[in-house]
Amino acid sequence: TQLLEQSPQFLSIQEGENLTVYCNSSSVFSSLQWYRQEPGEGPVLLVTVVTGGEVKKLKRLTFQFGDARKDSSLHITAAQTGDTGLYLCAGRQTGANNLFFGTGTRLTVIP
Amino acid sequence: DVKVTQSSRYLVKRTGEKVFLECVQDMDHENMFWYRQDPGLGLRLIYFSYDVKMKEKGDIPEGYSVSREKKERFSLILESASTNQTSMYLCASSPHNTGELFFGEGSRLTVL
Repeated sequence: TQLLEQSPQFLSIQEGENLTVYCNSSSVFSSLQWYRQEPGEGPVLLVTVVTGGEVKKLKRLTFQFGDARKDSSLHITAAQTGDTGLYLCAGRQTGANNLFFGTGTRLTVIP
Repeated sequence: DVKVTQSSRYLVKRTGEKVFLECVQDMDHENMFWYRQDPGLGLRLIYFSYDVKMKEKGDIPEGYSVSREKKERFSLILESASTNQTSMYLCASSPHNTGELFFGEGSRLTVL
């Protein structure tokens, strides 16, 4: 059973465009994280959101946690080629030691 | 510079061989994890450990075992490798009760 579904699975856009990636679940999470993974590397944490409705910004990246803490979105403004990578959401349920990872969105930004 | 180091970036093994994947972290983290990553499936947890000599099964432990004899080292063992264990294996660590995972660079295993 896949707890976290991400969409789209693949996304290819031109440099300068905006995009949104979604992470959805029927389960409630106490916190949700977003990671980016570049080819040949392990995932690296971008942000953690813990409060329903929370919005966090990291330069051109905006992360939102759904009010019910079941979903999240990542919006990138004016994408750059350096944003290319695999974006993974990961949720932690209350009392759990481990994270459940989403299926991933592979983003390619074309110059 | 804090680091999670996986012993082998690429391995090729034959069906039935025993495989050891080693992971070492230098951050004094309590928790360590082994995931496998397959296209379209994301990261799936194999085993994790929250203390020396302690281990917990993750979502897909079948065909794998682990060892944590020292705090900094977490090993993944495939007793008898099979072709469906061809995958990217990622080790991670995290401090106790915090969320962030620190990942190694991954070990790509091919079983022929």
